[in-house]
Amino acid sequence: DADVTQTPRNRITKTGKRIMLECSQTKGHDRMYWYRQDPGLGLRLIYYSFDVKDINKGEISDGYSVSRQAQAKFSLSLESAIPNQTALYFCATRTSGTDTQYFGPGTRLTVL
Amino acid sequence: GQQVMQIPQYQHVQEGEDFTTYCNSSTTLSNIQWYKQRPGGHPVFLIQLVKSGEVKKQKRLTFQFGEAKKNSSLHITATQTTDVGTYFCAGRAGANNLFFGTGTRLTVIP
Repeated sequence: DADVTQTPRNRITKTGKRIMLECSQTKGHDRMYWYRQDPGLGLRLIYYSFDVKDINKGEISDGYSVSRQAQAKFSLSLESAIPNQTALYFCATRTSGTDTQYFGPGTRLTVL
Repeated sequence: GQQVMQIPQYQHVQEGEDFTTYCNSSTTLSNIQWYKQRPGGHPVFLIQLVKSGEVKKQKRLTFQFGEAKKNSSLHITATQTTDVGTYFCAGRAGANNLFFGTGTRLTVIP
């Protein structure tokens, strides 16, 4: 969905490096999510935010941190990347009025 | 914790054959959603089911929510090559977040 953008789209980095993935949305949604996708494991929730001052851990938050800089922006950081964080990362948004989530195009991260 | 299992993990069908994917939850769900992810793409919302026993149709796609609200299925009649992709169910239990199934990757052989 063009209303949810993610940068970068692809990134290759080395073990131990700090990486930031960014997500922006123009949908005016208050709720934002970060997921990672691995083959055979589906989508797993890393962190989510219901508003600028609200940050919550998801199913697999260890090794990750997030920042909600504004209602439209939600960043995911890997403080010290490790190879098993190689995955496809998706940002998603929704409004509090419905359960439907709108996904960004994804960031493919490779940690060597 | 909540788990949503989806089977099969992979399915190869000849074009024109039917396809079904099944989703089972360890807990009673408030609602269930289905998403489709085309190869190289991102998940896109298809439909939401809320009521026990609910059945909804979208052209060749039929979605069902079980009577106990613990399982769901997606059936595609007469598959086409445009149906290729991974289909995910996602369930919500109470006020919890959506919990995604592991997905079923559909390949349609022309």
